[in-house]
This record gives sequence, C-alpha cells and structure tokens, in this order.
Amino acid sequence: DVKVTQSSRYLVKRTGEKVFLECVQDMDHENMFWYRQDPGLGLRLIYFSYDVKMKEKGDIPEGYSVSREKKERFSLILESASTNQTSMYLCASSPSGNDEQFFGPGTRLTVL
Amino acid sequence: GENVEQHPSTLSVQEGDSAVIKCTYSDSASNYFPWYKQELGKGPQLIIDIRSNVGEKKDQRIAVTLNKTAKHFSLHITETQPEDSAVYFCAASMNDYKLSFGAGTTVTVRA
Repeated sequence: DVKVTQSSRYLVKRTGEKVFLECVQDMDHENMFWYRQDPGLGLRLIYFSYDVKMKEKGDIPEGYSVSREKKERFSLILESASTNQTSMYLCASSPSGNDEQFFGPGTRLTVL
Repeated sequence: GENVEQHPSTLSVQEGDSAVIKCTYSDSASNYFPWYKQELGKGPQLIIDIRSNVGEKKDQRIAVTLNKTAKHFSLHITETQPEDSAVYFCAASMNDYKLSFGAGTTVTVRA
C-alpha cells in the first residue's frame, strides 16, 4: 500500500512564525505535491516537484516555499505565517504525470 | 489556466437511490478527468478516472461519463449506501502534472 505521511495532524502557530510542514512517501514516486483545502474552494495547488531539487509553482505559491532534498520527502515552508494561511494542507505523491495522486491525511494549520 | 466548476455543492439522497455530480471544464486541451472521494479526517482517494479517448467508464456502482464537445463530465453512483457519504471532487488535467479541482460535493446518504 502506498503511504503518504504528514508530520502533524494539527498545528497552531503565531503570526510571523516560520512554519515547516513535512511530507514523506514510501513508494519511490517521482512527483510530490502540496495543496491547500478551503471550504468552497476545493483543493488548490501550491507547489509541486517532479524530481529531487526540482520544484514548480502551482496556482497559489505566494507566501510559501518548498524543499525536496531527498526523493521521499517534500517540505512546505511558510516563511512568515499569516492568519490567511490558516487552512488544511494536503500532501500527495504520484509515480508520473497524469497519474493517480496518493494523498496524506492532511495537516490542519491554525495561525493566530 | 484550467477552471473546473462542480455542481451541486451538497447532495442528499435516500439509501438505494442514485447520485449524480456534474463538472464542467474550460480548457479543451484537458484530457484526464479523475474523481476523488474524501472521507472525514482522511485525504482524498481516487475512485475512478477517465481519459479523453473514451466516453464512459464503469466500476461496479460507479460510472463516469465524458462529453468533450460540451466540456463536461459526470459521476454517477447507483444503489447508494451509507458508506458513500463523503465529499467528492472532480478534477481535470492536460498532459502535465497539474490537476485543477472542482470545489467539491458533500454527499449524504440517508438511511
């Protein structure tokens, strides 16, 4: 079974803090993705990576950065958290483009 | 970029009845259309997908239809059961890595 794990299920941070969300997949997938999920807006792509050290902006990259130093791990970084970044963050991986994406359980981030 | 609209936003059906969710997309170059189901407290999971070279695909009680001319696709669930209660997302993609998701439909199956 493909497994995508995320470092935290719930996280509470203060405005201005630097926040790291970690994602690990165990299926040797090439591609990894970070989405945020908000009610009424569905899932919106923040960043994705198709190889180690490679990254591409998604639809809403502002205020975020990513890091992929190893194939199995993809990190999302909020350099200076703001209240409008309060959301559910979902990580996913896939073996190739236009293929099934496997999602982690999500991290619910609250920024106070 | 691609814009995917999904309707309805909520759907309540009696157990045993059918449920239909409809999506439209804007970019005629899109050629991959997956459907994901998200249960409470979990990440979305693929339930069925269709590519632009076919018009319909079935998997037991679930079917998806695609009309490329009209740029819309639909999910059909027959003989609904309580375990079908979840949030369903449609998505569309061209030949790249990016999926554009609809806003989601919350399906409730009444016993």
